[in-house]
Amino acid sequence: DVKVTQSSRYLVKRTGEKVFLECVQDMDHENMFWYRQDPGLGLRLIYFSYDVKMKEKGDIPEGYSVSREKKERFSLILESASTNQTSMYLCASSSSGGQNTEAFFGQGTRLTVV
Amino acid sequence: AQSVTQLDSQVPVFEEAPVELRCNYSSSVSVYLFWYVQYPNQGLQLLLKYLSGSTLVKGINGFEAEFNKSQTSFHLRKPSVHISDTAEYFCAVSDPWTGRRALTFGSGTRLQVQP
Repeated sequence: DVKVTQSSRYLVKRTGEKVFLECVQDMDHENMFWYRQDPGLGLRLIYFSYDVKMKEKGDIPEGYSVSREKKERFSLILESASTNQTSMYLCASSSSGGQNTEAFFGQGTRLTVV
Repeated sequence: AQSVTQLDSQVPVFEEAPVELRCNYSSSVSVYLFWYVQYPNQGLQLLLKYLSGSTLVKGINGFEAEFNKSQTSFHLRKPSVHISDTAEYFCAVSDPWTGRRALTFGSGTRLQVQP
């Protein structure tokens, strides 16, 4: 069974804290993604990575950074958390091969910044 | 740039009735199209996808969607819904020709099936 695992389901952090969200996939996928999900806005792409140590900004990268030191792991970093970063964060992965463009998602991390 | 519009934010329907969830996309080139479902407190699960070929695509749980290139639409349908279909549904598009590997999502449609 394919799997994308996010390290936490729920997190509560204080304003100004540095926050790490971790994601691991076991499918040997080249591509990994971080989205945030807000009511009425759907999923918006924060960052993605198509190879180890490679990353590209998505549509809303401000206030975030990412790290991909190993193929299976993709971390999202909030350098200084703010209340407007309270959201559901979803990690996904996909293969670069052929028409296998389906993205597989983790369970999500609901982050609350107080 | 590509975008996806889901015209209905909420769709209430009675059990065993048919349902259609609408999705329109904008892109200047050929695209891949997807429908995902999200049950409460869970991640997204693929329902079906259109890559090429037949414009009528069948997915899991009795859902199907029809790709209409002239109307740039990819509406999702089910002839008879169950209570268990209550969830949020997302339409998404990817554009393999520009190298953008990420999916672009619509804002979602919440399907509420009532007994």
